[in-house]
Amino acid sequence: ETGVTQTPRHLVMGMTNKKSLKCEQHLGHNAMYWYKQSAKKPLELMFVYSLEERVENNSVPSRFSPECPNSSHLFLHLHTLQPEDSALYLCASSQEAGGAFNTEAFFGQGTRLTVV
Amino acid sequence: EDKVVQSPLSLVVHEGDTVTLNCSYEVTNFRSLLWYKQEKKAPTFLFMLTSSGIEKKSGRLSSILDKKELFSILNITATQTGDSAIYLCAVGTGAGSYQLTFGKGTKLSVIP
Repeated sequence: ETGVTQTPRHLVMGMTNKKSLKCEQHLGHNAMYWYKQSAKKPLELMFVYSLEERVENNSVPSRFSPECPNSSHLFLHLHTLQPEDSALYLCASSQEAGGAFNTEAFFGQGTRLTVV
Repeated sequence: EDKVVQSPLSLVVHEGDTVTLNCSYEVTNFRSLLWYKQEKKAPTFLFMLTSSGIEKKSGRLSSILDKKELFSILNITATQTGDSAIYLCAVGTGAGSYQLTFGKGTKLSVIP
């Protein structure tokens, strides 16, 4: 148990569906991340939130929409996805303190998403 | 563009063997290098390295960073079947927000 909880663990959705992934961290961290892990590819950073503000958006298509209502919760809203979006979506959190970036990220168990 | 390259991509060894996993990087604004172990889904943190030449050790695992040659190695001695996993190397960067750039990982299989 890493202190980062993701739900659901598995999700199958059609291309016209709207769904949301949820992430909650119980570590008191102030930065949260969404990563995508596809087969045989490195983990790809999608979004970074620091103190509830989005600070990075790595050219992610608009069919993925993040939301960070507070420092403990992070959502990824999904809309009209494509089959190639099928992947493991991992949430992570870390502590950024006054510019000290030497910190590890703690990961959730991920949501295995299949788009049909 | 930041790049992290791990080698080998996969490795099969027998229990008791010693393995060395490699990670090289080319990044701007280097902050740290991290190793993770991914068994099923969630990567779990192993080491964070920020200084060259200082070995970090945890049981049978150890790691060292060379910031001049831009690489790190992860050693596992006396391997066990429970060491079978994907080992991920990530480099922490960022002048502003903190980001981790990951390599593709090394899949280690330890057979009895």
